[in-house]
Amino acid sequence: NAGVTQTPKFRILKIGQSMTLQCTQDMNHNYMYWYRQDPGMGLKLIYYSVGAGITDKGEVPNGYNVSRSTTEDFPLRLELAAPSQTSVYFCASSWDSSVLGYEQYFGPGTRLTVT
Amino acid sequence: AQSVSQHNHHVILSEAASLELGCNYSYGGTVNLFWYVQYPGQHLQLLLKYFSGDPLVKGIKGFEAEFIKSKFSFNLRKPSVQWSDTAEYFCAVNAPSASGTYKYIFGTGTRLKVLA
Repeated sequence: NAGVTQTPKFRILKIGQSMTLQCTQDMNHNYMYWYRQDPGMGLKLIYYSVGAGITDKGEVPNGYNVSRSTTEDFPLRLELAAPSQTSVYFCASSWDSSVLGYEQYFGPGTRLTVT
Repeated sequence: AQSVSQHNHHVILSEAASLELGCNYSYGGTVNLFWYVQYPGQHLQLLLKYFSGDPLVKGIKGFEAEFIKSKFSFNLRKPSVQWSDTAEYFCAVNAPSASGTYKYIFGTGTRLKVLA
């Protein structure tokens, strides 16, 4: 199993540009998540999905959009990039998080710089 | 709102020193508790978890954590750290939100540097 994969690993965007961060998991997990990690701030949840066709906002959704057309894929879209979106983005997946004991599996991250 | 607090943001230790990283959470019901580790340049990996049973849980690489329900704490410990333990450590709680859905909440992390 490849686990959770993310592309690209690095990206530099100009202000106002758009891009999609790709995330794929091959563990047949229902739940998928997008986090951003900023120094000293820990992980902030952007969006999550409990299954194909179902998504919901996390703690910091503004400026982002997601879709979940398949169980495997959970892309994150930035429509109008802003410097405040400079961060490291992690995708994660898990089994049903309402069942006790299931941990999240993380991808390697995408380092995004907006200038 | 639920929250997770990690009191130490930066910790510097010499090799063979003992480690204890604090984690407190604010939720009164049943919770899942986790410690994740992020080695430099890598993604987060599970170190250990607690969801029921023995409150002292053992994880990989000699780490352990103790769940103390009365103190809402889940502190991470290791008797003797190694240089390779240099990493960032995140405490996380999985608990039901006000809407009933379960959500993960991560602490802000503790950066550990072990001096050889």
